[in-house]
Amino acid sequence: NAGVTQTPKFQVLKTGQSMTLQCAQDMNHNSMYWYRQDPGMGLRLIYYSASEGTTDKGEVPNGYNVSRLNKREFSLRLESAAPSQTSVYFCASRKTNRNEQFFGPGTRLTVL
Amino acid sequence: GEDVEQSLFLSVREGDSSVINCTYTDSSSTYLYWYKQEPGAGLQLLTYIFSNMDMKQDQRLTVLLNKKDKHLSLRIADTQTGDSAIYFCAETPTDKLIFGTGTRLQVFP
Repeated sequence: NAGVTQTPKFQVLKTGQSMTLQCAQDMNHNSMYWYRQDPGMGLRLIYYSASEGTTDKGEVPNGYNVSRLNKREFSLRLESAAPSQTSVYFCASRKTNRNEQFFGPGTRLTVL
Repeated sequence: GEDVEQSLFLSVREGDSSVINCTYTDSSSTYLYWYKQEPGAGLQLLTYIFSNMDMKQDQRLTVLLNKKDKHLSLRIADTQTGDSAIYFCAETPTDKLIFGTGTRLQVFP
């Protein structure tokens, strides 16, 4: 099992450019999550998907969109990147019992 | 509101014990978690405690839970340089995790 995989690992964008961060899990989990991590602020939830076909906003959804393409894949899109979106982005999936979440290795995004 | 608090830094000598503290807000959390993040990596689940427990021991790790004060702690015995990382506590009032800000543990020889 690969667990949770994310691509790309690093990305540099110019202000106004768009891009999609990809996430996939092979653990047959129903729920998937996107977080951003900024220094001194822990992890903040951007969007989550409780099951295939559903998505919900988290704490900091502005400037982002998501797609739950199927049970395995959950993508995060930045339509018009801004410097404030410079961050490390983590995808996670959740095991139903115990609420345990499994994290991908992260995407380090810089917006110039 | 939801707010999980941790101190930002802890520095300990190799071989000593480390204690990382966390204060959470929601008493309805069924489980409370400790995650570890090594440099440049994602978060890995370190340990967890069920809310009806006071203590859980797992090799060098001891988790203490004080539900009355909503206080959670992680003790690492015989701290090693490989324990240097950021440690996050998390509560789960719903199907979402609420993370603390993380405590950066630095272990020096």
